[in-house]
This record gives sequence, structure tokens and C-alpha cells, in this order.
Amino acid sequence: EDQVTQSPEALRLQEGESSSLNCSYTVSGLRGLFWYRQDPGKGPEFLFTLYSAGEEKEKERLKATLTKKESFLHITAPKPEDSATYLCAVQGFGNQFYFGTGTSLTVIP
Amino acid sequence: DSGVTQTPKHLITATGQRVTLRCSPRSGDLSVYWYQQSLDQGLQFLIQYYNGEERAKGNILERFSAQQFPDLHSELNLSSLELGDSALYFCASSVDVQETQYFGPGTRLLVL
Repeated sequence: EDQVTQSPEALRLQEGESSSLNCSYTVSGLRGLFWYRQDPGKGPEFLFTLYSAGEEKEKERLKATLTKKESFLHITAPKPEDSATYLCAVQGFGNQFYFGTGTSLTVIP
Repeated sequence: DSGVTQTPKHLITATGQRVTLRCSPRSGDLSVYWYQQSLDQGLQFLIQYYNGEERAKGNILERFSAQQFPDLHSELNLSSLELGDSALYFCASSVDVQETQYFGPGTRLLVL
């Protein structure tokens, strides 16, 4: 069965304390893996797209990596404004999209 | 602002009723996606259209239907509403079927 699993469900970090979020997937015919940020009551905001194992993308304090079975979102020296839910999504065979349930990140000043 | 617009922002209705949610994609985007997000299930992919044609179907109930019009806007019709249909409904758009999706602000539906 195709599915996406994110861990941890919730993460509390001190400002400046780096960490990583995990997204593992079992999807037939991976066409792309997407990372989004979602603030409460708002639509997901696009962060990165990764298409093949070994690919990496960076934006400010965020870096996304992809292997054949999982992706990591590394957060370096986070700030309180990075607090949000981070969603991982995978596009599989037949253009189906599967979202994980997200990691809720809280960065404490 | 992603450039995707959704109306209405909020909708309160009763069980058994029918509602229509509307989405206008970003300028130039041909593909539209609909998602349902409830507290206990996260984002669930419902359906995708590309240039007016259905391209992919997810966990969409038979009571739900969608279409994409020639001007590329899309509508999601929800009928015979049940309490469990209360959720946030998001529309997203992309240039093509494999491109990045950009999400709208969502419609919050409450079924009483």
C-alpha cells in the first residue's frame, strides 16, 4: 500500500538548535517528493521539490535531501518564525498524491 | 499569496444539503487539484483535472464531484452532506501534471 510517514509528529526546539525532520515513503513509481510548510488555518506553502535519490535543495535555514526510501528536512539554527507544520507529499504512479500527516515544529525563543 | 483563489472562505450548512466550492488557479496553470483536510486525517487527495479533463482520482466519495471549466476554474460539489464532511477543502494548481502545486487559502466547511 502506498503511504507516507512523517516523524516525529511534534518537535520542540530552542532557537538556534538544529534538527532534522523525516519523511519515509512506500510509493510505486516515485515521480516527485514535495515539502510544504503550513501555518494554522492556512494553505500549505511550497518549499521544495525533489525528483531523484541524491538530490538536495536549500533555502535559507532549510535543506531537503532525498534517498530511495526517505527524505529529510534539515533545519539549521531555527528561529521562532520557523514554527509551523511541515508536510511531505509524494507523487506516485498514475499521478496520485500522498501527503504525510506532518511534523508540528515549535521553536522556542 | 500563492495566486490561487478559493470561495467562499467559510461555509456553514446542514446535513443533507449540497454545496459548491469554487477555485481559480494561478494565471497560466492548467492543472487543478482538490484536497480535504480534517483534524484526524491530514491532507487527503480527492481529484485532479488538467485542462478540463479528469487526470487522477484519489479518495473522493461518490457524493462528491468536480469539474474544470473552459476558463480553467474548477468547482467541487458536495452533496448529501454528513457531519463527517466538515473539514478544510483546499484547491491547488500547477502548470502541468508533474509540476509543483500551489495551494489556495482553503474553504472551511462546517456541517451541522
